Amino acid sequence: GQNIDQPTEMTATEGAIVQINCTYQTSGFNGLFWYQQHAGEAPTFLSYNVLDGLEEKGRFSSFLSRSKGYSYLLLKELQMKDSASYLCAVGDSNYQLIWGAGTKLIIKP
Amino acid sequence: IAGITQAPTSQILAAGRRMTLRCTQDMRHNAMYWYRQDLGLGLRLIHYSNTAGTTGKGEVPDGYSVSRANTDDFPLTLASAVPSQTSVYFCASSAGQGSDTQYFGPGTRLTVL
Repeated sequence: GQNIDQPTEMTATEGAIVQINCTYQTSGFNGLFWYQQHAGEAPTFLSYNVLDGLEEKGRFSSFLSRSKGYSYLLLKELQMKDSASYLCAVGDSNYQLIWGAGTKLIIKP
Repeated sequence: IAGITQAPTSQILAAGRRMTLRCTQDMRHNAMYWYRQDLGLGLRLIHYSNTAGTTGKGEVPDGYSVSRANTDDFPLTLASAVPSQTSVYFCASSAGQGSDTQYFGPGTRLTVL
């Protein structure tokens, strides 16, 4: 079967760094996405990785290792507005996205 | 209109009633999707359309139907609603197939009693 695993919830302090992990087992691989979803709102695109390595975009970075079926999202200089759920999704062999249940990130002052 | 719109924003529906959720995009995207999101579960694909005139079944299609008469609109119909269809429904679109970046509408919160 296809499976995406992420921690259910994480807590971090404002100004700190947090790493959210995602492991996946899918039939085929056509890229890995990270989305941010604030409570009561729609998911919004954060990053896309298709090759191994680190992609940096401002305070957010995303890493991919295809051989390990592993990705992480790194958030630096945390701000209160970063409190949200972070969704990992993988494109499978049918070019459909398989979604993790999301990681709820709580930022404390 | 900018992006994707969905209507209604929320709805309470009696079991057995028919309901159509509307979705319209103005980005001229070829592909469109319907997902449901339930607490503790990831987004689950209900139906999708890779281009106008074609549709396909996702992971959880039972009890739902869709049509794609043109590029912009992708309505989702519940023929006879049941309480297990209580959920938040998101419509999304992408320029190409599913591995392209998907952009989401604001969602419809549906409660079936």
